[in-house]
Amino acid sequence: EAQVTQNPRYLITVTGKKLTVTCSQNMNHEYMSWYRQDPGLGLRQIYYSMNVEVTDKGDVPEGYKVSRKEKRNFPLILESPSPNQTSLYFCASSLNGDTQYFGPGTRLTVL
Amino acid sequence: SQQGEEDPQALSIQEGENATMNCSYKTSINNLQWYRQNSGRGLVHLILIRSNEREKHSGRLRVTLDTSKKSSSLLITASRAADTASYFCATGPSGGGADGLTFGKGTHLIIQP
Repeated sequence: EAQVTQNPRYLITVTGKKLTVTCSQNMNHEYMSWYRQDPGLGLRQIYYSMNVEVTDKGDVPEGYKVSRKEKRNFPLILESPSPNQTSLYFCASSLNGDTQYFGPGTRLTVL
Repeated sequence: SQQGEEDPQALSIQEGENATMNCSYKTSINNLQWYRQNSGRGLVHLILIRSNEREKHSGRLRVTLDTSKKSSSLLITASRAADTASYFCATGPSGGGADGLTFGKGTHLIIQP
């Protein structure tokens, strides 16, 4: 089944404790993106990648890192999480940059 | 980056009625897409309309695009309880690419039985 998977689905952590949210797609898509969704703000793009080893900042990249060592994986790294990063995170992939296929989401709480 | 803005923010209708949502954006686009999100879950792509298209249909969905007014509408006909969800428009810039895909804040649609 074609899909985008994210792990973990739920995470509660404390300020400053490094964490990684994994994202994997099995559709051989070139494009992958990370978004965060907050009430009243909609979805905002954090980082995107157009191919292996090619990543770039989206609208809200501060406090986040990404890497794209393999085509299928695009992990999101929070080196030192803060409470304002409490949010619902979505990974998405796309064949050509148009239609996005979203993962199920990761709900992160930073205390 | 440009942003799609949906209108209304919330809409409640009776099952069987038609639901219309609108999206406005600010700058030139390559395409406009509509997505659906059930509560707390991932977004699901519904339909994509390119800048050189004026209308597109998919099942009970009808999307129009007016590039002169920088607006789009999504019509859901004969609504069902399962259509209850949030609906987002997303605009792709004239240069293309996933880097510029920008989502609006969404319209929350409630279908009352």
